[in-house]
Amino acid sequence: DTGVSQDPRHKITKRGQNVTFRCDPISEHNRLYWYRQTLGQGPEFLTYFQNEAQLEKSRLLSDRFSAERPKGSFSTLEIQRTEQGDSAMYLCASSFGPLTGELFFGEGSRLTVL
Amino acid sequence: AQSVTQLDSHVSVSEGTPVLLRCNYSSSYSPSLFWYVQHPNKGLQLLLKYTSAATLVKGINGFEAEFKKSETSFHLTKPSAHMSDAAEYFCVVSEGDRDDKIIFGKGTRLHILP
Repeated sequence: DTGVSQDPRHKITKRGQNVTFRCDPISEHNRLYWYRQTLGQGPEFLTYFQNEAQLEKSRLLSDRFSAERPKGSFSTLEIQRTEQGDSAMYLCASSFGPLTGELFFGEGSRLTVL
Repeated sequence: AQSVTQLDSHVSVSEGTPVLLRCNYSSSYSPSLFWYVQHPNKGLQLLLKYTSAATLVKGINGFEAEFKKSETSFHLTKPSAHMSDAAEYFCVVSEGDRDDKIIFGKGTRLHILP
């Protein structure tokens, strides 16, 4: 059974560097979501895709953040010029829309910016 | 826009006693509501969901929740707590196809006392 997988699971980087996270959703799922979770907080919505179209983007997502899902399968989340405040767990989830069902989450990619 | 408020950041109960985790939501339309659980170092898992069918929803591990439109509440309950229930619980709201941002509450950490 291949659930949602995220890579890398952990990333330590220096401030100012660029990082990229990859998410592979469950293969038949057409919707893919990115969330950010910091310690003691609930996941914060960043963006979501239906197939390859990015349908919604949170105001939390500054210009340094970009997400793509080029062929409607895997997705990447890139953070440019990282800042210490970007340190968080980045969660990916997929679902088969419309949303009357379940979001399936990956185990997340933890980013630490030094 | 939808929102969700979890009224308690921490709840402590003794093993074998009832659990009540409170959630209030705000939505302009008929929402879908969910409870997710996050065990330490594990991914988020769906406990139960409400999508305009029966107002009393049963989930996994003996949890259930009741949708009360008049009170805009969706509280999570369990008759008898088990040590394995210790985790973070998130109430989640979505307006379905009208707005597929899926919004998480800040979470309630459930502590089980022996």
